[in-house]
Amino acid sequence: DTAVSQTPKYLVTQMGNDKSIKCEQNLGHDTMYWYKQDSKKFLKIMFSYNNKELIINETVPNRFSPKSPDKAHLNLHINSLELGDSAVYFCASSPRSLAGLSAYEQYFGPGTRLTVT
Amino acid sequence: AQKITQTQPGMFVQEKEAVTLDCTYDTSDPSYGLFWYKQPSSGEMIFLIYQGSYDQQNATEGRYSLNFQKARKSANLVISASQLGDSAMYFCAMREGRDTGNQFYFGTGTSLTVIP
Repeated sequence: DTAVSQTPKYLVTQMGNDKSIKCEQNLGHDTMYWYKQDSKKFLKIMFSYNNKELIINETVPNRFSPKSPDKAHLNLHINSLELGDSAVYFCASSPRSLAGLSAYEQYFGPGTRLTVT
Repeated sequence: AQKITQTQPGMFVQEKEAVTLDCTYDTSDPSYGLFWYKQPSSGEMIFLIYQGSYDQQNATEGRYSLNFQKARKSANLVISASQLGDSAMYFCAMREGRDTGNQFYFGTGTSLTVIP
C-alpha cells in the first residue's frame, strides 16, 4: 500500500518526443507537488496543486504541463523533450496547511529518472 | 534571499561518532515548520524529523535530534553514533504557516559520508 506512487520509475526517450509521468497518492492529502532534481541534487519546485487547483507554477518551460484529474492524481506531461530535461522528477503530497499550522511533512514518491538522448 | 541555506556541500564522519549538519533559514512568519529529509543513493526521500517554531524543546527521533536556535534562525541536524547506512544526502526544508500554497523550501543539501 504505497503512499505516493509514480510511474514509470525509469524513462529513456529521444529528443523531441512527448512523454508523461503519472503520480497517485492514497493518503487523502489536498496538496500535490512536482519537483525536478538535477545532477547536482538540487530540488526545484515546479508545480503544486491544491484540490485540483494550480497553486504554484514556477518558471518552467511551457513544454511542461501538469494535469490533476482528481485530488489523488497529479500527472506531468512534457512536450518536445530536450537534453536538459534529463533529471529525476519527484511527486510529493502533503495535507493542507491550516492557518498557523505547519506540522505536516511532505511524502515523496520514489522518483522517475528521465533520460533524454 | 534564500529561504534555506545549507553551507556544507560535503561532510565526513567516523563511524560511531556524532555529526552536525548545518541549516539556517529566513522567514518573517512567526509560525513555521522545519524538516529534515534523507536521500540515500537509492534515491528515495525519507522524512527524518520535524521542529515547529513554537516548540519549546528540540525535536528528537532516535539517533536524530534537531538543534533549534530560534534567535539565530538555525536548525541543525545532529546524528549521534553514526552508522554506515547514514551515508546519504541530507536536505533541510521549511514550510511557513501563513502560506496557504503549502510550499516547502529546500536547501541545496549536504552529502554525508560515514567512514568505517
